[in-house]
Amino acid sequence: NAGVMQNPRHLVRRRGQEARLRCSPMKGHSHVYWYRQLPEEGLKFMVYLQKENIIDESGMPKERFSAEFPKEGPSILRIQQVVRGDSAAYFCASSPRWDPRGELFFGEGSRLTVL
Amino acid sequence: AQTVTQSQPEMSVQEAETVTLSCTYDTSESNYYLFWYKQPPSRQMILVIRQEAYKQQNATENRFSVNFQKAAKSFSLKISDSQLGDTAMYFCAFSTQGGGSQGNLIFGKGTKLSVKP
Repeated sequence: NAGVMQNPRHLVRRRGQEARLRCSPMKGHSHVYWYRQLPEEGLKFMVYLQKENIIDESGMPKERFSAEFPKEGPSILRIQQVVRGDSAAYFCASSPRWDPRGELFFGEGSRLTVL
Repeated sequence: AQTVTQSQPEMSVQEAETVTLSCTYDTSESNYYLFWYKQPPSRQMILVIRQEAYKQQNATENRFSVNFQKAAKSFSLKISDSQLGDTAMYFCAFSTQGGGSQGNLIFGKGTKLSVKP
């Protein structure tokens, strides 16, 4: 039973380029969450999506960042015109339903380096 | 603001001994849930233990137990009989049922635990 799959594991971009991070949730999970971990920091919530819907994007920067979770295929976190401050590990998690008591299942993360 | 504070950036313990990791939090919500997640060097986070704030009894999972002090807003993790595989970053986190916070786990900065042979 595959867990949450994220790719790429490592991504290097130059300033001004676009970064696309993909996340395939666990089988049977329709809820996806994206978190960002800056160096020496804990994870910070970015966005919560259900199939084809953004439920909560209160943690997303207002510009350059977008997320989607289409009916078919993985969830995508897209960062346009990357800057050095976007360098971080981006984690995706999934769950079968929304439940504040529930466990989130995390992927291994995608590490973005902006040169 | 809702925050989680882990005051110990790094800790070490000898194999087979007991270690306690500290966590305090701040929220105005009355109904919330507390978690400890472990992030091994492979980087995939896994849930270690969870506690529901309305339950007075401290949660226990095998060698892992918590000391939940609701009035003090404290939620420490005790690891008994430490094993080398316990070496990891440990994150304290909480979630609430309050509106607008769906899916929003609040994490502390983490404590890096090293178990020494």
